[in-house]
Amino acid sequence: EVQLVESGGGLVQPGGSLRLSCAASGFTLSSHWMSWVRQAPGKGLEWVANINEDGSKKNYVDSVKGRFTISRDNGKNSLFLQMSSLRAEDTALYYCARVIGIDEAFDPWGQGTLVTVSS
Amino acid sequence: QSVLTQPPSVSAAPGQKVTISCSGSSSNIGNKYVSWYQQLPGTAPKLLIYENNKRPSGIPDRFSGSKSGTSATLGITGLQTGDEADYYCETWDTSLNTGVFGGGTKLTVL
Repeated sequence: EVQLVESGGGLVQPGGSLRLSCAASGFTLSSHWMSWVRQAPGKGLEWVANINEDGSKKNYVDSVKGRFTISRDNGKNSLFLQMSSLRAEDTALYYCARVIGIDEAFDPWGQGTLVTVSS
Repeated sequence: QSVLTQPPSVSAAPGQKVTISCSGSSSNIGNKYVSWYQQLPGTAPKLLIYENNKRPSGIPDRFSGSKSGTSATLGITGLQTGDEADYYCETWDTSLNTGVFGGGTKLTVL
């Protein structure tokens, strides 16, 4: 069974840092682009970042550029999102997702990990 | 303000058909494939349609997708109460160089 499990969320003060992890199983991670998508409480989905199969290409939404870093360890079947200089507006449920097909279709999604930025 | 525009809500009776529109531009829908997701309350999104009109295994053919120009449409026939959810369109934007989602549409099955 193809599965993604996120971890690492929690409560952090504004300006703080957090590292999210996504454990992949049931498929060959090194064969897929991977993405992070977030959802603020009661709001819609927002694409955050993606990374290519070997980690050499990365893209970010403008609001996180320079603050967030996406990375991967294919040998450990893991995807990461290092978040720094966190702001209240980064509060959200963060999902990792496998990219399939063409033009960024996501399947499956993990269950999400909640990040709360508050003093 | 989302890059892709969806109606905030749609509704229809059980057994009926509903369509959900997604409007974009030449930098996204106009030149890229569109995918659609269903998010049931309290759960992670699930892929319904990818590459405009393809269904992953396990998705019933009550769900269909189409694209014309800079707009895409999700169709759901034979509505069931279990279809009540938020639906999102998504694609890649070549100007922003990011993925982009619609604002989401809440489906109510009356």
